[in-house]
Amino acid sequence: GQQLNQSPQSMFIQEGEDVSMNCTSSSIFNTWLWYKQDPGEGPVLLIALYKAGELTSNGRLTAQFGITRKDSFLNISASIPSDVGIYFCAGQYSGGGADGLTFGKGTHLIIQP
Amino acid sequence: NAGVTQTPKFRVLKTGQSMTLLCAQDMNHEYMYWYRQDPGMGLRLIHYSVGEGTTAKGEVPDGYNVSRLKKQNFLLGLESAAPSQTSVYFCASSYSGTSGGPSYEQYFGPGTRLTVT
Repeated sequence: GQQLNQSPQSMFIQEGEDVSMNCTSSSIFNTWLWYKQDPGEGPVLLIALYKAGELTSNGRLTAQFGITRKDSFLNISASIPSDVGIYFCAGQYSGGGADGLTFGKGTHLIIQP
Repeated sequence: NAGVTQTPKFRVLKTGQSMTLLCAQDMNHEYMYWYRQDPGMGLRLIHYSVGEGTTAKGEVPDGYNVSRLKKQNFLLGLESAAPSQTSVYFCASSYSGTSGGPSYEQYFGPGTRLTVT
């Protein structure tokens, strides 16, 4: 099946720093989504992207749909302690049906006080 | 509006036992999904449903069965549990998109942590 390469696997940052993570694929994707998962909870949708080049913000979070349609980026500005968690990218690849949502393996964000 | 709910939250089974996980959504979504989440593996699709009365296999369907008798409920069954099925199980749902397929914006439940000994 399709695979997404999400990096970095984990990040140790100081509170107040900006964060960047990305997701890449060898296939063209039609939709990109970013989720956050807190410990013991289910993933929560943060941002959905539908067009190549699209840049969308949700508070301090900004995500972009890469122009090649094979990648997406998530930035978090001025990180705060509640940003800690696992961030997943997910994509719907071109030609995929109702099951066509593929997930990355996640980026663990750890914030040091 | 509770969104997606899952019962139970935790369960311990012995090898060979059976059980059913229940997922319910109150958003009138057409599409429902069952995933399992294992360390280092991300989320993997087990089965999904495109509407009431329909089911289809996902990436890792072996050892599981599903049923969608009512639009709001999606059941995941393990007929004979194995230690390899120890995992966290998530249910998700999505609404219909403008083109007739799913919107791909999936909304997740809180998960069921299953341990098979």
